[in-house]
Amino acid sequence: EAGVTQFPSHSVIEKGQTVTLRCDPISGHDNLYWYRRVMGKEIKFLLHFVKESKQDESGMPNNRFLAERTGGTYSTLKVQPAELEDSGVYFCASSQDRNIQYFGAGTRLSVL
Amino acid sequence: AQKVTQAQTEISVVEKEDVTLDCVYETRDTTYYLFWYKQPPSGELVFLIRRNSFDEQNEISGRYSWNFQKSTSSFNFTITASQVVDSAVYFCALSEADNTGKLIFGQGTTLQVKP
Repeated sequence: EAGVTQFPSHSVIEKGQTVTLRCDPISGHDNLYWYRRVMGKEIKFLLHFVKESKQDESGMPNNRFLAERTGGTYSTLKVQPAELEDSGVYFCASSQDRNIQYFGAGTRLSVL
Repeated sequence: AQKVTQAQTEISVVEKEDVTLDCVYETRDTTYYLFWYKQPPSGELVFLIRRNSFDEQNEISGRYSWNFQKSTSSFNFTITASQVVDSAVYFCALSEADNTGKLIFGQGTTLQVKP
C-alpha cells in the first residue's frame, strides 16, 4: 500500500511568486491534514479536510494560503504571493476516522 | 491551552548507551491522546506510538519503551542500547478528543547516536 506522497520534495521560488504543493493521501483515508514547520520550530497545524470539506482551517496563517481537495482525493496548497516568512517544510498527513495520522516526507519551500 | 514541551533540543550518545527523550504536555481535557513520531534523514514522519489518557500502562516495543505519568503530565521515550540507525529527530505530540484530531507538536529532539 502506498503511503502519503507529496510533490515537489523541494521548491525554490522568489518572493511574490506563486507555488502549489500537492499531497496524495493513503487511498481510502477521508481525513487529510496540512502542517508546517518553520525555521526548526515546532510543527504547526494548518488545516483539516474530511473528504472534500474543510473541517478546521484555524491554523491557516492568512489569505495568501488556499487549500483545496476537489473530489476528496488529493489536496493542493497554494501560496500566492509567497513571502519570505513562508519558507519551511510543509507536511501532509492522512488518517481513517481521525485515528493515527500517517505523514508524507514533506515539501521544503524556500522563498528567496 | 494545549502545549507540548520537549526541553532537550539535541542529544548525543555513543552507540549502545540508553537514552531518554523527555516530553511534557499541557491540556485541560480529560480525554486526549499522546504520540511519538520519528523523523529520519529521509524526511517523513514515522509513527511510533499512540497512548490515550486513560491508559497509563507503560509500553515496551523491542528497544523502545514509553513511560506515561499523568501526575507529572509527562510521556517520556527511552531507547535502550541505542544504535546509529536511531539517529533522527523525535517529536512528541498531543491530540485532544473533542477537536478535529489535529496534532499539537513539541519542538522536537534531535538524537545523534555515534558509533
